[in-house]
Amino acid sequence: EVHLLESGGVVVQPGETLRLSCAASGFTFDDYALHWVRQAPGKGLEWVSVTSWNGGLSYSADSVRGRFTISRDNTKNSLYLDMRSLRPEDTALYYCAKSRSDLLEGVDLDFWGQGTLVTVSS
Amino acid sequence: QSVLTQPPSVSAAPGQKVTISCSGRVSNIGNNFVCWYQQLPGAAPKLLIYDNKKRPSGIPDRFSGSKSGTSATLDISAVQPGDEADYYCATWDGSLSSGVFGGGTKLTVL
Repeated sequence: EVHLLESGGVVVQPGETLRLSCAASGFTFDDYALHWVRQAPGKGLEWVSVTSWNGGLSYSADSVRGRFTISRDNTKNSLYLDMRSLRPEDTALYYCAKSRSDLLEGVDLDFWGQGTLVTVSS
Repeated sequence: QSVLTQPPSVSAAPGQKVTISCSGRVSNIGNNFVCWYQQLPGAAPKLLIYDNKKRPSGIPDRFSGSKSGTSATLDISAVQPGDEADYYCATWDGSLSSGVFGGGTKLTVL
């Protein structure tokens, strides 16, 4: 059974740095691209970032490009999101999600975690 | 303002058919596969449709998707109370080099 478990969400002040983690199990981790998707309280889904099967390629949304970095460790079956210069508008539930394939340019995500809440507030 | 445009809400009585639209551009829907997600209250999103019209294992055939040009549609035939949820379309945008979601449509079953 596929399982994705996010962690690392906390309350931080604007400008601070945070790392989110996602522990995966139940599938061949390095066969698939992995994504982060976020959802602000009471709002819709916003795609954040994707990394290729080996971490060699990634894309990020304009809203986070240059501040957030996605990475993965295939030896630990783990996905990460390093977030810096956090802003109040980054406040959201952050989901880790598995792609159906190893293709980067797609948003067909067949398994999702339950999310980890990041709150950016002074 | 979302890149993909969906109606904010739709409603239907049990047993009726519902259609949710998703409008985009050549750079996103026009040139890429569309998928649809269902998000029940308090839950993570669930993949309903991928590659415009394919259903993952376990998704009832009451849910169907289609795409034409720069628009996509999710149809739910014979709506049930348990279908009350938010529905999102999503695709890749080649011009932005990013994934994009619609703003979401809240389905109310009357």
